[in-house]
Amino acid sequence: GAGVSQTPSNKVTEKGKYVELRCDPISGHTALYWYRQSLGQGPEFLIYFQGTGAADDSGLPNDRFFAVRPEGSVSTLKIQRTERGDSAVYLCASSLYSREAFFGQGTRLTVV
Amino acid sequence: GEDVEQSLFLSVREGDSSVINCTYTDSSSTYLYWYKQEPGAGLQLLTYIFSNMDMKQDQRLTVLLNKKDKHLSLRIADTQTGDSAIYFCAESSGGSNYKLTFGKGTLLTVNP
Repeated sequence: GAGVSQTPSNKVTEKGKYVELRCDPISGHTALYWYRQSLGQGPEFLIYFQGTGAADDSGLPNDRFFAVRPEGSVSTLKIQRTERGDSAVYLCASSLYSREAFFGQGTRLTVV
Repeated sequence: GEDVEQSLFLSVREGDSSVINCTYTDSSSTYLYWYKQEPGAGLQLLTYIFSNMDMKQDQRLTVLLNKKDKHLSLRIADTQTGDSAIYFCAESSGGSNYKLTFGKGTLLTVNP
């Protein structure tokens, strides 16, 4: 596609539920990143994929968060037992060269 | 850890120049970036500068880097109402070039 696509654009879930957020990167981009942006803050790094493998997952806040990229293209960010503090905009980005990351429009997650 | 600081608000009149400032703490920063975020949208990469450069110009945008003072600025010439947005400064370090550390963003308001 022309840009990074994230679905859904909005997700409301109840506390304790499981959610999956999807990211379709720009075709041909080998690197994929997830960031989280809380209200009034800049994005914070969560995880980086190079191909199919997670090269750096140091930003994942705890073991309720997990991400996969099984075929080196689409990625899914999975959050178990959601908490109200998980409410944020989750941004995905992809790049061919690490210095030029292109971001999607994000998924706004609200945990009620 | 790394820290990136920005002033939170800037208001200018249409046609004037805007200057958005940023300071960072990581002396090993390799690339420094400016991203633009419009309401409800993802992050748009505006420009970036390699740390061995002092200045980069791209049409209406001028980036100045003072590496000694760890100070980065973005000047927008002839500011238009369409430039109203949040501008994020970000840096990446040589060891993990892919991982961006963002400031909290500067809300630029352009008044007609």
